[in-house]
Amino acid sequence: SYELTQPPSVSVSPGQTVSITCSGDKLGDKYACWYQQKPGQSPVLVIYQDTERPSGIPERFSGSNSGNTATLTISGTQAMDEADYYCQAWDSTSVVFGGGTKLTVL
Amino acid sequence: QVTLKESGPLLVKPTETLTLTCTVSGFSLSNAGMGVSWIRQPPGKALDWLAHIFSNDEKSYSTSLKSRLTISKDTSKSQVVLIMTNMDPLDTGTYYCARIIGGQDLFGSNWFRFDPWGQGTLVTVSS
Repeated sequence: SYELTQPPSVSVSPGQTVSITCSGDKLGDKYACWYQQKPGQSPVLVIYQDTERPSGIPERFSGSNSGNTATLTISGTQAMDEADYYCQAWDSTSVVFGGGTKLTVL
Repeated sequence: QVTLKESGPLLVKPTETLTLTCTVSGFSLSNAGMGVSWIRQPPGKALDWLAHIFSNDEKSYSTSLKSRLTISKDTSKSQVVLIMTNMDPLDTGTYYCARIIGGQDLFGSNWFRFDPWGQGTLVTVSS
């Protein structure tokens, strides 16, 4: 079965840029989405179709996808961005989620 | 405004069958390219996709859980129902429904996104 691998945790200082990666076999040939989940809340879509931002998502969130890796980048990270982030893709007949990355804003 | 709300039992016993209902508003279950998906999350763990159903009644199930799952919709009631049989304590977790939007690009590659999600309902499996 298809798997997406994310680092368990990433940390960043306020105002800095942070990247969260999601790796999978030929992931660049598929479309990736990213979801933000804060404690006790439902996930929220922040990036879809690799690079698109839904309305209401700040411009500091951006995405890319090439080769075997999709990347979520947050520029000028704010304390409110501290959350778990999940990547997601579609593989033939199944939706696959990554294991999640906990972003800590120090 | 699109909203989804899950409903169902908070507690089920091992071997019992779980029936969850997702009631949607702000969009129709007959809208082309749209549907509803069920995703669960064990406490402290990652998201786990279960199934989805589209407006054209196309359905997909998690390979590992396919034998235990049935998804259906009642467009007139704006509801999607998920049935999961033979519940086990490992099935304990928060169950979310989400609107799924899907399509295909010019090269035939499929894309899907979940937006928005319901508030989730915590289901505990215990005797």
